Amino acid sequence: KQEVTQIPAALSVPEGENLVLNCSFTDSAIYNLQWFRQDPGKGLTSLLLIQSSQREQTSGRLNASLDKSSGRSTLYIAASQPGDSATYLCAAEGRGSQGNLIFGKGTKLSVKP
Amino acid sequence: DAGVTQSPTHLIKTRGQQVTLRCSPKSGHDTVSWYQQALGQGPQFIFQYYEEEERQRGNFPDRFSGHQFPNYSSELNVNALLLGDSALYLCASSLMAGAFYGYTFGSGTRLTVV
Repeated sequence: KQEVTQIPAALSVPEGENLVLNCSFTDSAIYNLQWFRQDPGKGLTSLLLIQSSQREQTSGRLNASLDKSSGRSTLYIAASQPGDSATYLCAAEGRGSQGNLIFGKGTKLSVKP
Repeated sequence: DAGVTQSPTHLIKTRGQQVTLRCSPKSGHDTVSWYQQALGQGPQFIFQYYEEEERQRGNFPDRFSGHQFPNYSSELNVNALLLGDSALYLCASSLMAGAFYGYTFGSGTRLTVV
């Protein structure tokens, strides 16, 4: 059974700092891994999708990596801004259970001006 | 290009009642999945609909049922509401065949059961 863990649960950094959010999963047979952002009380905004054949994806100040052998993904945020404050969720989709995203509990990020 | 739209945005129901939530997928998408997100938790998969059939189901009781219409829109029905059903219900759409670009989520329906 796939389990996804995100560490840390909460993170507070000063504006301008580079930071890394971690996501680990127990079953390496994943179809893809997707990172989302969630603002309080809102839905999910897709940030990056890494398919199983890929090692990383980049979008602007965001870079996500995937290492299936170690069961880890990281989301790197460069030059953080107060507008980056939100909860970041990673979700793994397993082969054979496509459509069923398994989510971590998220990392709540606060970027202080 | 409209994304995923969900209605209503907020809903208050009494324990024991029934509720219907609605979702219109992103234009060009043909698959709809539903998730339940309790406060402080990650979303949990309820079920997925494709070609008007339930394709996959998570660990939710039969009180949770759904439907997909020919225009790909979907409904989530919950019967005999319990206080524990209070949560944010999220709809996600995707494309089953062809190039895959991940899942697009709606803004959710906040259900409160009193």
